[in-house]
Amino acid sequence: DVKVTQSSRYLVKRTGEKVFLECVQDMDHENMFWYRQDPGLGLRLIYFSYDVKMKEKGDIPEGYSVSREKKERFSLILESASTNQTSMYLCASSYTFPGLAGETQYFGPGTRLLVL
Amino acid sequence: AQKITQTQPGMFVQEKEAVTLDCTYDTSDPSYGLFWYKQPSSGEMIFLIYQGSYDQQNATEGRYSLNFQKARKSANLVISASQLGDSAMYFCAMREDGSGTYKYIFGTGTRLKVLA
Repeated sequence: DVKVTQSSRYLVKRTGEKVFLECVQDMDHENMFWYRQDPGLGLRLIYFSYDVKMKEKGDIPEGYSVSREKKERFSLILESASTNQTSMYLCASSYTFPGLAGETQYFGPGTRLLVL
Repeated sequence: AQKITQTQPGMFVQEKEAVTLDCTYDTSDPSYGLFWYKQPSSGEMIFLIYQGSYDQQNATEGRYSLNFQKARKSANLVISASQLGDSAMYFCAMREDGSGTYKYIFGTGTRLKVLA
């Protein structure tokens, strides 16, 4: 079974703190994604990566950065946390292979971040 | 413009009845995939069903079926014989395979409540 793990289920931070959210997958997936989920807005893509050291901005990258030094690990960094970054953060990974268009994303359990 | 639209923020259904969750999409890519996910209150995203743009038949997975109407750009999820455990958020998502980036675009979700 594919397993995607996230470093914390719940996190409370202060405004201005630097926050690291870690995601690890064990299926050798090329693609990894970070989303935030807010009520009424669904899932919005922050950043994604299709290879080690490669990253692409999603729809809402402002205030975030990412790092992918190893294939299995994708980190989301909030350089200076703000209260409007209070949200649920979901990591996902997927396999890219021509012909496997139906391959789905696999999600981690999510991190609920509260910024005070 | 929104690429995935879920117009029902909330739905109720009686146990053992069928329910349809609506999803419309917008794309000019001839190759795309449509996905449905379930998110229980615990937060994990569970993959339910996939439909490819070139698939001739509607996808089915157990009690889940996808009513794919390509000309209308709709991909409604039908849950037959609803169970109390089906109470959750449901998200429709699309991946435009011709783009080469394999990003997923999500709708805002529908919260389903199954009544005993």
